[in-house]
Amino acid sequence: SQTIHQWPATLVQPVGSPLSLECTVEGTSNPNLYWYRQAAGRGLQLLFYSVGIGQISSEVPQNLSASRPQDRQFILSSKKLLLSDSGFYLCAWSDYRDRGEAGMNTEAFFGQGTRLTVV
Amino acid sequence: AQTVTQSQPEMSVQEAETVTLSCTYDTSENNYYLFWYKQPPSRQMILVIRQEAYKQQNATENRFSVNFQKAAKSFSLKISDSQLGDTAMYFCAFMKQGGSEKLVFGKGTKLTVNP
Repeated sequence: SQTIHQWPATLVQPVGSPLSLECTVEGTSNPNLYWYRQAAGRGLQLLFYSVGIGQISSEVPQNLSASRPQDRQFILSSKKLLLSDSGFYLCAWSDYRDRGEAGMNTEAFFGQGTRLTVV
Repeated sequence: AQTVTQSQPEMSVQEAETVTLSCTYDTSENNYYLFWYKQPPSRQMILVIRQEAYKQQNATENRFSVNFQKAAKSFSLKISDSQLGDTAMYFCAFMKQGGSEKLVFGKGTKLTVNP
């Protein structure tokens, strides 16, 4: 079965410090990978997505970057955090496969999220 | 670029009643997928229901059903016999068909089920 691991669950970092959030997927190959940010009580803003190793699409210009060093590993980074980087970060993956009764189809699966507070 | 709009920031419903959440989207694509995801207070994202654009039949999953109007680019979610556990944020999402596409979400509707 497919699983997704995202860590850490909670992080408090001072302004100007670096950031590294990691996400790994098991049980699938060549998935699409996504990083979203969710401000308090708000929607999901797509930050980055990747369709393969080393292929990163940035949706919003900002203080963050993403990398995909391995097929099932997706990393969100920052060299210097800003107060505005605080939020809830979600990693997700999707693929296109035969899903039995649903046929050839796609679905996204999400990690548990990281609550980042920049102080 | 694809956009997803949820025009109801908050809704409430009495337990056992029916509620409909609205979603519209904008795309020039003909083949795509639409989703409703639920995010309870735990913040774990859970797939509620999925609709393939090429299927005219509306998807159903137990108490959850959709009204998919392709020409109108509308994709509403109906929850029947609402339960307290349905209290959550609900997000409508869009993905082009093809397997290597981004997943775009609306801003969400906060649903509260009252006892």
